[in-house]
Amino acid sequence: NAGVTQTPKFQVLKTGQSMTLQCAQDMNHEYMSWYRQDPGMGLRLIHYSVGAGITDQGEVPNGYNVSRSTTEDFPLRLLSAAPSQTSVYFCASSYSERWAKNIQYFGAGTRLSVL
Amino acid sequence: GESVGLHLPTLSVQEGDNSIINCAYSNSASDYFIWYKQESGKGPQFIIDIRSNMDKRQGQRVTVLLNKTVKHLSLQIAATQPGDSAVYFCAETLSGSGGSQGNLIFGKGTKLSVKP
Repeated sequence: NAGVTQTPKFQVLKTGQSMTLQCAQDMNHEYMSWYRQDPGMGLRLIHYSVGAGITDQGEVPNGYNVSRSTTEDFPLRLLSAAPSQTSVYFCASSYSERWAKNIQYFGAGTRLSVL
Repeated sequence: GESVGLHLPTLSVQEGDNSIINCAYSNSASDYFIWYKQESGKGPQFIIDIRSNMDKRQGQRVTVLLNKTVKHLSLQIAATQPGDSAVYFCAETLSGSGGSQGNLIFGKGTKLSVKP
């Protein structure tokens, strides 16, 4: 039961560097999303996708890009890392039917530090 | 604007006691509410959900109560165990939001500590 797999688990970047956070799910879920979690805060939605080839912005999309070429994968790209992007990033997936979409399965997270 | 908040940021209970975690929401259009549990170093895990046409829903040792009149949501955990120690988040979704339907708005979380 792999579920939602995120890599890497930890990453340290220098300001201005770029990188891609990987997310893969094996549950054939149509809906996938990326959140960031800052200390003492709830999760905030960065980007989401309702199916392959379809992506849209969430609450805090600036500085991040996504693509969805397959149902399984939903990578998050940091174009030019900034210290404000230091956070824990979670990927989640779910079915797309109305009520099922709200029951999201989360990965274990990627802890990112930008120096 | 829309927000989901919590009355208590931390809650400490004795093992075996019942726990009650509260949540307030501000958007009367929200039609679905979910509680997630997040253990240290892990991603959030679904606990229980409730639709706006319900007042109460029970699971195994957990009960969610919804009071739409005062826009209040609570999670009750019966016979709290050390394994229940975690941060608990409530989340809401907004109806009629088209393609973003299903996008969750999370509260800040309540940390539950269970004393042995």
